This record gives sequence, structure tokens and C-alpha cells, in this order.
Amino acid sequence: NAGVTQTPKFQVLKTGQSMTLQCAQDMNHNSMYWYRQDPGMGLRLIYYSASEGTTDKGEVPNGYNVSRLNKREFSLRLESAAPSQTSVYFCASSGGTGKLQSTVYGYTFGSGTRLTVV
Amino acid sequence: AQSVTQLDSHVSVSEGTPVLLRCNYSSSYSPSLFWYVQHPNKGLQLLLKYTSAATLVKGINGFEAEFKKSETSFHLTKPSAHMSDAAEYFCVVSDRPHNNDMRFGAGTRLTVKP
Repeated sequence: NAGVTQTPKFQVLKTGQSMTLQCAQDMNHNSMYWYRQDPGMGLRLIYYSASEGTTDKGEVPNGYNVSRLNKREFSLRLESAAPSQTSVYFCASSGGTGKLQSTVYGYTFGSGTRLTVV
Repeated sequence: AQSVTQLDSHVSVSEGTPVLLRCNYSSSYSPSLFWYVQHPNKGLQLLLKYTSAATLVKGINGFEAEFKKSETSFHLTKPSAHMSDAAEYFCVVSDRPHNNDMRFGAGTRLTVKP
């Protein structure tokens, strides 16, 4: 099925461990995003990639790194996990070309990764 | 910077009665506005969007929203609630159409009683 695929769906880490969240889309979208969702705060943008080969910080980038491996894949890495990074992480992509991207086409979201850091 | 406030964290309605989920926004430019729905343990799905065309926007599953610039509001409505509408709803604003800066509201949980 066409869409955004995230792995893993669940993960428990100990403080200080590292891990990479994987995201892939098969819709030939240019832009990809990583959000975290916390209770009462909606979704907050961590990093985004407007096109293959580019990445930019969002609202809450500290403690994270990203890699846009190719047009399909956009990974999020936690180098040294902290309890404050316990959250649900969503990857999203948006279509369109040029600059009119997410605001015209909206996003397609993955089903999320529930991460707990103990 | 743009922001959005969802006025109710939880709304409860009976099946068959109208739904109203309220959203106010703040924007320095002409905003684009969206409503997304999230069912339990699922990703977010786009319900509808406003991007400076008609002020009354129709979305999927019978939902619609009206952009009111004078009131800086973008409330989501549905004439008759269905049990399957029970979910979390997010209002989203972007006032920079040429970048990727979208801001999400905190969400409104809709409960539908039989």
C-alpha cells in the first residue's frame, strides 16, 4: 500500500543509549518531516527535509540528528537518549514541487513510533 | 510566529447530534489552515484545508470548516456525529506558504456517545 512506513512501532531505551528511527515513503514526495507528539502539546516539528540532500531544524531539534538518505528515506537518530525524549514520533511526507509544498498538499503521516526512555 | 489555539481539549456529543470543534489562529500573513484527525494508535489523516480559495471548505466524512478572518477562527463542524468520528482532531496553521513551518494545536478529543 502506498504511504509512509515507520519502523519500529515501539521501542524502550535506557538513558544514554542511541537508536535510529526509520521512515520511508513510496509516493515520490519531495518533502519529509519528523514530529514528536506529547500530551497536551500537539505535534512539534523536530527536523524536516524540503528535498533530497537538504535538511533543516524545526521547532525542537536539540538531541536529534537526521539523514535524508535518498528521496524515499528520512531517518531520525537519538545519539544519547534522555527521559525527556519519551514521546510518540511521527514521520510525514508531502507532495508538490518547488516551494508550494506542505501548505498546498497537506501531509501524509506514518503510524508512529512509541518511544520510552527509562 | 503563527500559532493556533484549540478552545476545547475534550468535546462529548451524542450520536446523531451536531459536532463543533473550535479553533482560533494567529498569523502575520495570509494563513493556510488545516484540520487533521487521528484515530487511536494511528497516524494523522488530512480532513480538509483552506488555502485562500472559498472560505467554506468541505472535507471528508461530512466535515466542513469556515474560515472567518474577522474572528481569526477556523471551526470544524459536522451536522450529525457518527460513532466512527470519535478521535483526536488537530487544527494546523501555516502563514508561510513558501516554507515548511506549520504549527499544530494541542488537539481536541471527540467522544461520541451512543
